[in-house]
Amino acid sequence: AQTVTQSQPEMSVQEAETVTLSCTYDTSESDYYLFWYKQPPSRQMILVIRQEAYKQQNATENRFSVNFQKAAKSFSLKISDSQLGDAAMYFCAYRSTSGGTSYGKLTFGQGTILTVHP
Amino acid sequence: NAGVTQTPKFQVLKTGQSMTLQCAQDMNHNSMYWYRQDPGMGLRLIYYSASEGTTDKGEVPNGYNVSRLNKREFSLRLESAAPSQTSVYFCASSGPRGGNSPLHFGNGTRLTVT
Repeated sequence: AQTVTQSQPEMSVQEAETVTLSCTYDTSESDYYLFWYKQPPSRQMILVIRQEAYKQQNATENRFSVNFQKAAKSFSLKISDSQLGDAAMYFCAYRSTSGGTSYGKLTFGQGTILTVHP
Repeated sequence: NAGVTQTPKFQVLKTGQSMTLQCAQDMNHNSMYWYRQDPGMGLRLIYYSASEGTTDKGEVPNGYNVSRLNKREFSLRLESAAPSQTSVYFCASSGPRGGNSPLHFGNGTRLTVT
């Protein structure tokens, strides 16, 4: 079974600065998808960014980008020009593409609470 | 555009009581999921339904049952609530299985069992 680990329970950043959230995963599969979700205090789960494992190019969405290191099984999220609205819990998630019981489901990490200081 | 709708938003139960969490999606998605969120543990899969008429156990199914009533609706039932089931519950749906289509989540139900 796949596992996802977020080793930083909490992180903080100054407004307008850059912060990187770490995520590692364990899998024997070669093809899969990785996601970062944001959960603000409203409890809503919001997709931030996604990455296909077969793509070498790192995904980017405005101020959010990832550093995908397939060999190292690492998938970090970089937030540039941090804003107060970025304060939230961030979850890294893995999705298998192979058959069997794990097909299609998301496996989540433990989450990282991000605080943004004005 | 409603997306995924969960009811209720909050619920308090006494140990041994039963209840059903309702979930409906209007995106014509085949797959639906129930997760629970506990501090320090992220979201863990309780049950999922890959398509109408099928359900499968996830990582933490004990104490729960599910029903995929039709393509839109996927309910989660607690037959005899226990304090260990105090959690925030999320329903989600997704498009093609195994693709990069993300999960779309409801707004969650905060359940407290006393």
